[in-house]
Amino acid sequence: GAVVSQHPSWVICKSGTSVKIECRSLDFQATTMFWYRQFPKQSLMLMATSNEGSKATYEQGVEKDKFLINHASLTLSTLTVTSAHPEDSSFYICSAREGAARAEAFFGQGTRLTVV
Amino acid sequence: DAKTTQPTSMDCAEGRAANLPCNHSTISGNEYVYWYRQIHSQGPQYIIHGLKNNETNEMASLIITEDRKSSTLILPHATLRDTAVYYCIVSSPTGTASKLTFGTGTRLQVTL
Repeated sequence: GAVVSQHPSWVICKSGTSVKIECRSLDFQATTMFWYRQFPKQSLMLMATSNEGSKATYEQGVEKDKFLINHASLTLSTLTVTSAHPEDSSFYICSAREGAARAEAFFGQGTRLTVV
Repeated sequence: DAKTTQPTSMDCAEGRAANLPCNHSTISGNEYVYWYRQIHSQGPQYIIHGLKNNETNEMASLIITEDRKSSTLILPHATLRDTAVYYCIVSSPTGTASKLTFGTGTRLQVTL
């Protein structure tokens, strides 16, 4: 399968600071990328969908000013958690799809964010 | 608002076939059936997907009923490393319905 890489794998930050998570498709061009978060013992919750060069589409209840998503190239999307608070601590996962060329999406290994 | 229904958990003996069912009675004509699995604290791993026909790859087989309202993922010879949460998802690869929405999945426990 295709490779999607997330960085960092884990991060600890102080309340009030911002954290950027990168998601890269290493061997394909990702026209669409998805961002999820997952709380312990729960399923993945879709936060937003981004298409290269367009503004992200956020799911209901997700604050777009708090979770900034940029998909500036076909191989890179970033999620920035702004003014992080302890309740933002979670496992964040990205996914990338090549679009019409391939139906399946591939996932990164996830980023564990802890806000202290 | 996941479109699929899966059993919460299943057990399987190592070496036996694991058959994981999924109901998707409201599937649309252009929606695929995808299977992913998630091992603890990792990102989901793609397993297989299909539209109408049964599919097989090196990991598993996917059996889709003729009316497409249900499917079964088959792991032919389960091993302990197959212990994971398995998610069945229906989605269109293009357009506004292209997002992958996860339900609660099936927790498969493979035992000795």
